[in-house]
Amino acid sequence: AQTVTQSQPEMSVQEAETVTLSCTYDTSESDYYLFWYKQPPSRQMILVIRQEAYKQQNATENRFSVNFQKAAKSFSLKISDSQLGDAAMYFCAYANSGGSNYKLTFGKGTLLTVNP
Amino acid sequence: NAGVMQNPRHLVRRRGQEARLRCSPMKGHSHVYWYRQLPEEGLKFMVYLQKENIIDESGMPKERFSAEFPKEGPSILRIQQVVRGDSAAYFCASSPQGSSYNSPLHFGNGTRLTVT
Repeated sequence: AQTVTQSQPEMSVQEAETVTLSCTYDTSESDYYLFWYKQPPSRQMILVIRQEAYKQQNATENRFSVNFQKAAKSFSLKISDSQLGDAAMYFCAYANSGGSNYKLTFGKGTLLTVNP
Repeated sequence: NAGVMQNPRHLVRRRGQEARLRCSPMKGHSHVYWYRQLPEEGLKFMVYLQKENIIDESGMPKERFSAEFPKEGPSILRIQQVVRGDSAAYFCASSPQGSSYNSPLHFGNGTRLTVT
């Protein structure tokens, strides 16, 4: 079974600074999908960024980018120019690329605090 | 453009009672997924439904839990004879197709169930 590990239960960053959240995963598959979701206090799960494993290029969405290291099974999230609205719980998630790719496996999350 | 609607937002039940959680998917989405988030944990897949069909219930506890997605109306997650261990946030997600990547899952705000 696949597992997702987020080793940082909590992180903090100063407004306008950059922060990196770590995620490692375990799988025997060669193709799969990886995601970062944000959960603010409203509790809604919001998709931040996604990556297909067969794509070498790291995904980028505005201030959010990933460092995908397939051999190391690492998928870290970098948030640049942090804003107060970025404060939330961040979850890393994995899905197989086959027929059951609706079944996401989530890590336990990292609580990000943004200090003004 | 309403998102995934879940109600109630909070639900308190005494041990032994029944809990009914409702989910209306986004307009145009015919695929619904239920996930459960225990305290201090990431979300865990429970069940995947299309209209009138259960596609994958591999994450559902074998007893007391059931889900449906009728032709008309919302999807219902039903927990009979609730126990304290059922206390969690229950999330519903929907997608236009059964894929987490090409048609990413859109999550609702969840229902927090508290069993006293």
